[in-house]
Amino acid sequence: NAGVTQTPKFQVLKTGQSMTLQCAQDMNHEYMSWYRQDPGMGLRLIHYSVGAGITDQGEVPNGYNVSRSTTEDFPLRLLSAAPSQTSVYFCASSYRGMSEKLFFGSGTQLSVL
Amino acid sequence: SQELEQSPQSLIVQEGKNLTINCTSSKTLYGLYWYKQKYGEGLIFLMMLQKGGEEKSHEKITAKLDEKKQQSSLHITASQPSHAGIYLCGADWGSEKLVFGKGTKLTVNP
Repeated sequence: NAGVTQTPKFQVLKTGQSMTLQCAQDMNHEYMSWYRQDPGMGLRLIHYSVGAGITDQGEVPNGYNVSRSTTEDFPLRLLSAAPSQTSVYFCASSYRGMSEKLFFGSGTQLSVL
Repeated sequence: SQELEQSPQSLIVQEGKNLTINCTSSKTLYGLYWYKQKYGEGLIFLMMLQKGGEEKSHEKITAKLDEKKQQSSLHITASQPSHAGIYLCGADWGSEKLVFGKGTKLTVNP
């Protein structure tokens, strides 16, 4: 049972480049979410999904897009990377809701130069 | 203003010492989650507390939620290097999303 799988683990981008962070879970969880972790800021919610075809914005959604075409996958897209998006990104899933026990991926460390 | 405060921000202890991390909420908690993060890894669920006065233990880690359901503490007894990492609390305020504290970085020196 792999749980929540994130790829890549590390990524370096140049300002203006685009990329997609992948997230997949094999627990049949309806709820999936993306967080970013910055020093002194804790975890902040970017986008979340309550089921396939349904997404919504979190606390810091600007500069990011998401889609949820299947229950398993929840990719996060950076349209035009900015240095302010340098961060560690975590994907999480849960079975019963966004305020329930979350299962986290191992994170993606992103640097935007 | 910060609504979920964790203290201390960082903590360095000698192996074998006890320690406590606090998480204080400005609002009544429906639930409080504790997670641990090791460097380069994701967050691992430790415990969840819901009832006022509730206390849970796992191995050498004990978490408590006060009667007013606004403060939780995480206590580690006889710390070991394996306890090192970042501890985060997550608050359920009934808004259908968890809000996380800024974390406490724990270093345990052998």
